Amino acid sequence: AQRVTQPEKLLSVFKGAPVELKCNYSYSGSPELFWYVQYSRQRLQLLLRHISRESIKGFTADLNKGETSFHLKKPFAQEEDSAMYYCALPPWGSARQLTFGSGTQLTVLP
Amino acid sequence: ETGVTQSPTHLIKTRGQQVTLRCSSQSGHNTVSWYQQALGQGPQFIFQYYREEENGRGNFPPRFSGLQFPNYSSELNVNALELDDSALYLCASSTMDREAGYTFGSGTRLTVV
Repeated sequence: AQRVTQPEKLLSVFKGAPVELKCNYSYSGSPELFWYVQYSRQRLQLLLRHISRESIKGFTADLNKGETSFHLKKPFAQEEDSAMYYCALPPWGSARQLTFGSGTQLTVLP
Repeated sequence: ETGVTQSPTHLIKTRGQQVTLRCSSQSGHNTVSWYQQALGQGPQFIFQYYREEENGRGNFPPRFSGLQFPNYSSELNVNALELDDSALYLCASSTMDREAGYTFGSGTRLTVV
């Protein structure tokens, strides 16, 4: 069964510091992972996807198949990055759903 | 391009009652999925609708049911509400491309008392 684990429920960093949000996955196949973000009082939205290899709002994520990880990183955190972040696996095989981790609440302190 | 809209935004129901939540999908999307997000948890998949039929279901009892209409909008119905059904219910629309992103609505906050 596919599963996503985000070990940190809460993460606080100071503005300008590097930030890394951890995500580990269990997946039967070649995964194409997503990161979703939910800012306060806003809807869940796609931040980036592995397949596109984009950098969005300064965030990047590298897929490490050996460690089965897809950690989200940003070298210099900004206060506006404070939000809830979810790592997610896309549908695979007969499954139809996105599989989400439990999320990490990032707070960037001034 | 219109996004995903959900109604109502908030709802309070009594245990044992029935509730219907509504979702309009994004233009160009033919698939609608429903998720339940309990406080402090990630979204959990309820089911998906494609071509007006249920196309996959998560670990939810039959009292959770749905519909999809020809215009791709959808309803989520929950019968015999229980206190644990209190959650944010999210609708997401997409195409059938597995690698395509999902567009989420703002959700309906259901409180069962």
